[in-house]
Amino acid sequence: EAGVAQSPRYKIIEKRQSVAFWCNPISGHATLYWYQQILGQGPKLLIQFQNNGVVDDSQLPKDRFSAERLKGVDSTLKIQPAKLEDSAVYLCASSLGGSTYNEQFFGPGTRLTVL
Amino acid sequence: GESVGLHLPTLSVQEGDNSIINCAYSNSASDYFIWYKQESGKGPQFIIDIRSNMDKRQGQRVTVLLNKTVKHLSLQIAATQPGDSAVYFCAERWGYSTLTFGKGTMLLVSP
Repeated sequence: EAGVAQSPRYKIIEKRQSVAFWCNPISGHATLYWYQQILGQGPKLLIQFQNNGVVDDSQLPKDRFSAERLKGVDSTLKIQPAKLEDSAVYLCASSLGGSTYNEQFFGPGTRLTVL
Repeated sequence: GESVGLHLPTLSVQEGDNSIINCAYSNSASDYFIWYKQESGKGPQFIIDIRSNMDKRQGQRVTVLLNKTVKHLSLQIAATQPGDSAVYFCAERWGYSTLTFGKGTMLLVSP
């Protein structure tokens, strides 16, 4: 079974530029998550989708971050404009459903460096 | 023993030793806990989980212990192997809330 796919794997940009990340979840997984992982810390949830609807975006900095999952499958996360503190690994995860006990499967992440 | 490395506590063990990684969780209402393993350049990988109505659960070479009285979770790895070298995170959830990850611990296994 193919895992969660993410691209690009690495991205370097200047501050104030824009960047977008793409995620393709495991086939059949209704729930998709985007996490931010700053070096030396655990992942922090940015947004959770159930199919194409947002379940939780309480920790998404909405003045600069946006995410969409228009057809309930692939998702994109965008940062515009980027700040130095956005340097992190952005992880996408998916699960069969949003239930407490549905295992989340993580992709390899996109490492973003903002200069 | 344990030491503070680059933002992460580090546990160094010899191959074949048993390892114990500890985690203090934050919310007394948490009812579900997971341990994840994260290797360099990869996303976290599920190892084992435990619900709050249990105090111990065993998997293959791993055991998770839960002490709700002191809000403490531990992961025991038996006969640690070099392939176990990674950063380990505990995560907690309460009700229908999202997962909250703790600070990680780096496990270094020398041959």
